[in-house]
Amino acid sequence: AQKITQTQPGMFVQEKEAVTLDCTYDTSDQSYGLFWYKQPSSGEMIFLIYQGSYDEQNATEGRYSLNFQKARKSANLVISASQLGDSAMYFCAMREAHHTGANSKLTFGKGITLSVRP
Amino acid sequence: GAGVSQSPSNKVTEKGKDVELRCDPISGHTALYWYRQSLGQGLEFLIYFQGNSAPDKSGLPSDRFSAERTGGSVSTLTIQRTQQEDSAVYLCASSLGLGDTQYFGPGTRLTVL
Repeated sequence: AQKITQTQPGMFVQEKEAVTLDCTYDTSDQSYGLFWYKQPSSGEMIFLIYQGSYDEQNATEGRYSLNFQKARKSANLVISASQLGDSAMYFCAMREAHHTGANSKLTFGKGITLSVRP
Repeated sequence: GAGVSQSPSNKVTEKGKDVELRCDPISGHTALYWYRQSLGQGLEFLIYFQGNSAPDKSGLPSDRFSAERTGGSVSTLTIQRTQQEDSAVYLCASSLGLGDTQYFGPGTRLTVL
């Protein structure tokens, strides 16, 4: 079974509007971390935002926020006021065993392509 | 400060040759990770280091792959007797400590002809 599922096809959003990128995950751990990375055409993976499984508040970083619904096992990324530079591939990732180094590897979803229209 | 750097940025090699890929982590980061990104497999974990030791080698696809880290800094991923299916982008990441946020380098695009 997939650990991280990103099923949306290519997404399009108008500049200055908000967009939500979906991510669901599967784990039996109680302690885990969820990440979103952005990969523009240049290829570099850029860290955007992190949510720990025990964090009660949804994470926010500037225009990025994470809509964390633990019971549904979803961690959707919300980008507000989209900019042309937001056009990229977006990956959701999970690190199981939140505070234990032994499992600190990241498991990634397949990614979602976002295109921002002027 | 400087981010994670990787070299070379591109490598084209012939099937059967050995290649070495280098990663320079962010200064002060004790943990270092290698991932591979290919069209068919997506992003997959290969190996990580805490200091100079690699507690988890489970992601290495075959015994042709090996990695080492020296001085708690630079890491080298070596692929022996390269095969066409090794063609991919090899990404390196580092984190301050195990369990901390991982920051990625620009990757090395490997093409095996």
